[in-house]
Amino acid sequence: DAGVIQSPRHEVTEMGQEVTLRCKPISGHNSLFWYRQTMMRGLELLIYFNNNVPIDDSGMPEDRFSAKMPNASFSTLKIQPSEPRDSAVYFCASSLMQGPGNTIYFGEGSWLTVV
Amino acid sequence: GESVGLHLPTLSVQEGDNSIINCAYSNSASDYFIWYKQESGKGPQFIIDIRSNMDKRQGQRVTVLLNKTVKHLSLQIAATQPGDSAVYFCAESSWGKLQFGAGTQVVVTP
Repeated sequence: DAGVIQSPRHEVTEMGQEVTLRCKPISGHNSLFWYRQTMMRGLELLIYFNNNVPIDDSGMPEDRFSAKMPNASFSTLKIQPSEPRDSAVYFCASSLMQGPGNTIYFGEGSWLTVV
Repeated sequence: GESVGLHLPTLSVQEGDNSIINCAYSNSASDYFIWYKQESGKGPQFIIDIRSNMDKRQGQRVTVLLNKTVKHLSLQIAATQPGDSAVYFCAESSWGKLQFGAGTQVVVTP
């Protein structure tokens, strides 16, 4: 079975450039999550979607960050303009939410470096 | 300037010994708990979960214990192997939204 698929795996970009991270959740899952991991703050939930609708975006750092889920099999996380402090590993995860207690499965992450 | 990162607690375990990783959670309303393992350069990988109506659950070589009274979770790994070296995270959930702890680095020595 294919797991959560993320692209790109690694990206190095210059400050001020737009960055788009992509995610394909596990087929059949109805919830999708974007997490960010840094040494300073650990794993932080940025936003999550249920049935393609954003439910909680309280973790999104600021207006430079935006996330979309146009259909059940695709989501993007965009940073515009990017800054060096955005350097982190960004994980996409998905689950089948049927009530309280749902295992969330993670992708391998997108390693972003902003110089 | 100097950056300060998270100081992960480290558990050093001899190969073949049992490991116990502890976690304190914060939300008394959390009803579902998961342990994840993260190897270097990879995403968190599900190990085992437990619901709040249970206090113990066993998997293959792993056992999770939940003490709701003191909001404490532990992961026991039997006969620790070199492949168990990783960072282990506990996560608490209320209606699907996971909050992660800081993690514990497990180092298995021969």
